[in-house]
Amino acid sequence: RKEVEQDPGPFNVPEGATVAFNCTYSNSASQSFFWYRQDCRKEPKLLMSVYSSGNEDGRFTAQLNRASQYISLLIRDSKLSDSATYLCVVNGGQFYFGTGTSLTVIP
Amino acid sequence: DTGVSQDPRHKITKRGQNVTFRCDPISEHNRLYWYRQTLGQGPEFLTYFQNEAQLEKSRLLSDRFSAERPKGSFSTLEIQRTEQGDSAMYLCASSLGPSGRETQYFGPGTRLLVL
Repeated sequence: RKEVEQDPGPFNVPEGATVAFNCTYSNSASQSFFWYRQDCRKEPKLLMSVYSSGNEDGRFTAQLNRASQYISLLIRDSKLSDSATYLCVVNGGQFYFGTGTSLTVIP
Repeated sequence: DTGVSQDPRHKITKRGQNVTFRCDPISEHNRLYWYRQTLGQGPEFLTYFQNEAQLEKSRLLSDRFSAERPKGSFSTLEIQRTEQGDSAMYLCASSLGPSGRETQYFGPGTRLLVL
């Protein structure tokens, strides 16, 4: 079983839509969780960190469910510029990366 | 710009040649990580340093790969006798650790193409 699993998508949503991504992790002792955004042929850039139950930053909300071992990312009012791959990362003694979820926001 | 930097940004080489990449971390960060990423996959851990000590190395890393961080600042990753399967993006990240809130910041990567 992989340490971190994400639905690869792709998710194609219209502008203004709300979209949610889920990520599950296998190590129950994991301490910190992250969502990174990665544009095509670029490096991952930190979007949000999650240490307790959740975090909110503008249109982006991340939630952590330790009992079920999953993290979610909610994007409200999607913009064209949100089109990217979103990587779920879990620190369980080592940083483990999901394969990423591809999002395309359509005009 | 005080972020993580990597050099070169692109490298094309012939199979069998040796290549070396450099990473300069954020100056106050004591940890430095190397990852490899291929299309459609997340970054794959290769190795990491805390200061000058190499603390962990992936089992997937063959003997052709070696990394150094001699003074605890910049790091180099060398691939000897390159193979076509080594073609990938090589990413470097740095962080301040150990910490329950350790956060990695990535450099722009070195894209390697082995012909």
